[in-house]
Amino acid sequence: NAGVMQNPRHLVRRRGQEARLRCSPMKGHSHVYWYRQLPEEGLKFMVYLQKENIIDESGMPKERFSAEFPKEGPSILRIQQVVRGDSAAYFCASSQGTGGAGQPQHFGDGTRLSIL
Amino acid sequence: RKEVEQDPGPFNVPEGATVAFNCTYSNSASQSFFWYRQDCRKEPKLLMSVYSSGNEDGRFTAQLNRASQYISLLIRDSKLSDSATYLCVVNMESGGSYIPTFGRGTSLIVHP
Repeated sequence: NAGVMQNPRHLVRRRGQEARLRCSPMKGHSHVYWYRQLPEEGLKFMVYLQKENIIDESGMPKERFSAEFPKEGPSILRIQQVVRGDSAAYFCASSQGTGGAGQPQHFGDGTRLSIL
Repeated sequence: RKEVEQDPGPFNVPEGATVAFNCTYSNSASQSFFWYRQDCRKEPKLLMSVYSSGNEDGRFTAQLNRASQYISLLIRDSKLSDSATYLCVVNMESGGSYIPTFGRGTSLIVHP
């Protein structure tokens, strides 16, 4: 499967635990974006990364959330000390070039995070 | 003012009908534009890019009006399988980079 791969598909955590969401972009794509979608809501941009660099994190909550895209391996979205309000679908997308270059994004299946 | 605005609908139309959605954006420096489709609890899927000259893909036609800052999607001969949420995406300049910004989506329900 050459598409964007996210895992796990479903993740259940108790309040106060950590959640790690992984995303492997499409082959040949070096731009990764993370979005959050609450039930009955639209997609909210969180962070935009290229290899080893955070380009724009204006949509990330100031605390508890972090993201990385190392030189080797998948991009990771990390949520520390999760709270009930973190329950949502988290989608990762990748593109071949920058948004300014007119390259469309391709999305993974998402990770549904549920906080007990 | 929201950056990308869409009428949430739902648009409830019979099979075979023609339906059109609009989407307005606030940043005149926006670059590229897309329509995505999202089925319930699934990932968004690219439907088509939107070009200034307009583009057509089968029953779907997309238009861009830069002067008025809106894009449109026209669906002809609606099928039951067209029922979904249609997301407008605008790549907006933000701090030197372009960030794909999503509208909240327009819900389409096609009934027999």
